[in-house]
Amino acid sequence: QQQVKQSPQSLIVQKGGIPIINCAYENTAFDYFPWYQQFPGKGPALLIAIRPDVSEKKEGRFTISFNKSAKQFSLHIMDSQPGDSATYFCAASKGAGSYQLTFGKGTKLSVIP
Amino acid sequence: KAGVTQTPRYLIKTRGQQVTLSCSPISGHRSVSWYQQTPGQGLQFLFEYFSETQRNKGNFPGRFSGRQFSNSRSEMNVSTLELGDSALYLCASSLGYNADTQYFGPGTRLTVL
Repeated sequence: QQQVKQSPQSLIVQKGGIPIINCAYENTAFDYFPWYQQFPGKGPALLIAIRPDVSEKKEGRFTISFNKSAKQFSLHIMDSQPGDSATYFCAASKGAGSYQLTFGKGTKLSVIP
Repeated sequence: KAGVTQTPRYLIKTRGQQVTLSCSPISGHRSVSWYQQTPGQGLQFLFEYFSETQRNKGNFPGRFSGRQFSNSRSEMNVSTLELGDSALYLCASSLGYNADTQYFGPGTRLTVL
């Protein structure tokens, strides 16, 4: 049972475009939703995270939008650059102090010059 | 601060053998989690340790085990290796006191022949 569904699997955008990656979850006990970026040969690195009590959070060029009623959240990358080409994972965990992250399957983003 | 370190980075074993992987968390972090990453299943939670105690365990067979030492360093062991155990094994550390952010190491690439 896949508890966090992520789409699309892959995405190609031109430099300056705004790629959008979507995730949907099933478990209403989830209350922490991070996004990770992973480059080949590296471990995932935390980009940005959100809790259900806010609908949007921005950090630099990265924005998370959160829709609690629809159980969906998405990542937007403003003014995308070739250096943003990586695999992006959404994740969710439940309860304060729970470190068991449930990950989406990942989205491979390619930003072409 | 130094990041999460994992050793070895690469490992080749044959079916039936056992393997031990090591993880040193960020200084001051007391929680260590382990994840398995494969192309087919993505990132899956194995287990999490805090102050030498296992707090959570994922849905993996008993061949997968772990432990944490008093200095927060952690090891995971896989016995009777199977071909399907070939994966990138990632360790993540966190402060452990209701602090959600997990920092991942570069992983150990295990190949089972």
